[in-house]
Amino acid sequence: EIVLTQSPGTLSLSPGERATLSCRASQSVSSSYLAWYQQKPGQAPRLLIYGASSRATGIPDRFSGSGSGTDFTLTISRLEPEDFAVYYCQQYGSSPPYSFGQGTKLEIK
Amino acid sequence: EVQLVESGGGLVQPGGSLRLSCAASGFTFSSYAMSWVRQAPGKGLEWVSGISGSGGSTYYADSVKGRFTISRDNSKNTLYLQMNSLRAEDTAVYYCAKGGSPGQYNWNDATYYYYYYMDVWGKGTTVTVSS
Repeated sequence: EIVLTQSPGTLSLSPGERATLSCRASQSVSSSYLAWYQQKPGQAPRLLIYGASSRATGIPDRFSGSGSGTDFTLTISRLEPEDFAVYYCQQYGSSPPYSFGQGTKLEIK
Repeated sequence: EVQLVESGGGLVQPGGSLRLSCAASGFTFSSYAMSWVRQAPGKGLEWVSGISGSGGSTYYADSVKGRFTISRDNSKNTLYLQMNSLRAEDTAVYYCAKGGSPGQYNWNDATYYYYYYMDVWGKGTTVTVSS
């Protein structure tokens, strides 16, 4: 079973700044099958990135994903007020379970 | 419009059972894997179970294996989760979610490969296990 570890647990930044979120896997994620989701309080998660670097439909280009193997990154180039939320990574390659990371809370500084 | 609507949540005693349903619309249901994901109060997301487009392959998290059963009725565009032997730690919001890409045919072994990242989510249904 692949364990995903996200860091930092909480990230405090101001609008306009750049955010870099990390997701590290306990073993290699096959075919870079790594997704990122955003969740706001009281809402269902929203898909941002799949295949490590492909943006989902309707996702602004300030969101980008990178990485391969065991190390992946979600970058938000210039934070907008609506970007402050919790972010989760998920692996969906190889065998299930298709686990999530524990989440990174992005909060306003 | 692609839509997923969960139902069937509620309050149940420890050891009891519940059956969740998820009605899907706006896409070719049988072409996509489907998953159930839960979120305990104040906690993160936990992938619970997944099922291939045909229903022929099912997968479970270790925490629910042997107690939960996922199934689908492609004629009714509906996904199910039968939950037995419920425990307090199963208390959560349960989300139904659609696989992000349709199944791809693999000519090498004549099987379909399904993707278990999730591009559409329902609003969730709440399950509370308490005496």
